[in-house]
Amino acid sequence: EPEVTQTPSHQVTQMGQEVILRCVPISNHLYFYWYRQILGQKVEFLVSFYNNEISEKSEIFDDQFSVERPDGSNFTLKIRSTKLEDSAMYFCASRPGTSGVNEQFFGPGTRLTVL
Amino acid sequence: EDKVVQSPLSLVVHEGDTVTLNCSYEVTNFRSLLWYKQEKKAPTFLFMLTSSGIEKKSGRLSSILDKKELFSILNITATQTGDSAIYLCALSIIQGAQKLVFGQGTRLTINP
Repeated sequence: EPEVTQTPSHQVTQMGQEVILRCVPISNHLYFYWYRQILGQKVEFLVSFYNNEISEKSEIFDDQFSVERPDGSNFTLKIRSTKLEDSAMYFCASRPGTSGVNEQFFGPGTRLTVL
Repeated sequence: EDKVVQSPLSLVVHEGDTVTLNCSYEVTNFRSLLWYKQEKKAPTFLFMLTSSGIEKKSGRLSSILDKKELFSILNITATQTGDSAIYLCALSIIQGAQKLVFGQGTRLTINP
């Protein structure tokens, strides 16, 4: 069964460093998402991506964040200068985009620890 | 602001018990309500509900939506230790890219 994959599973970085989190969505899906979950808190929407551009972003997704689909398979989230409060689990998700089908399929997540 | 509230936040029962998890919401532009199970990592999809009063069922799990009273329940019968997880309720809205708005989850623990 096709699944969303994410790498790395755990990333430890120093405050101020740049990190890139990688995702491979399910092939033939059209919508891609990043969510984050700070320990003990809700899963929060960060950004959605469709047709090679951002379709929606939350207040959390400020200028320090960017997303890219550099080729036909990868979808990346970059944090330019990490802060302590960026420590969280980051989930990538994808959705077919077919009319009437809108459940999102989640990857296993990347745990980001900023020291 | 779109809002999803789950209750209880935590529930501990014995194997074989039946549990009911609740999700209430306030949202504009409702499209669907989704239930996910989160064990150690990724939320895994359980149900998507769009219409009131139609029960969705998968084995021992079932769910129903009430769009008038703005809530949904997730039932699990004959619980097993493998049902221990965090159960997430999320709303999908019509506008934009249909982002999901999550509740805080119910942590369910099944003791043998």
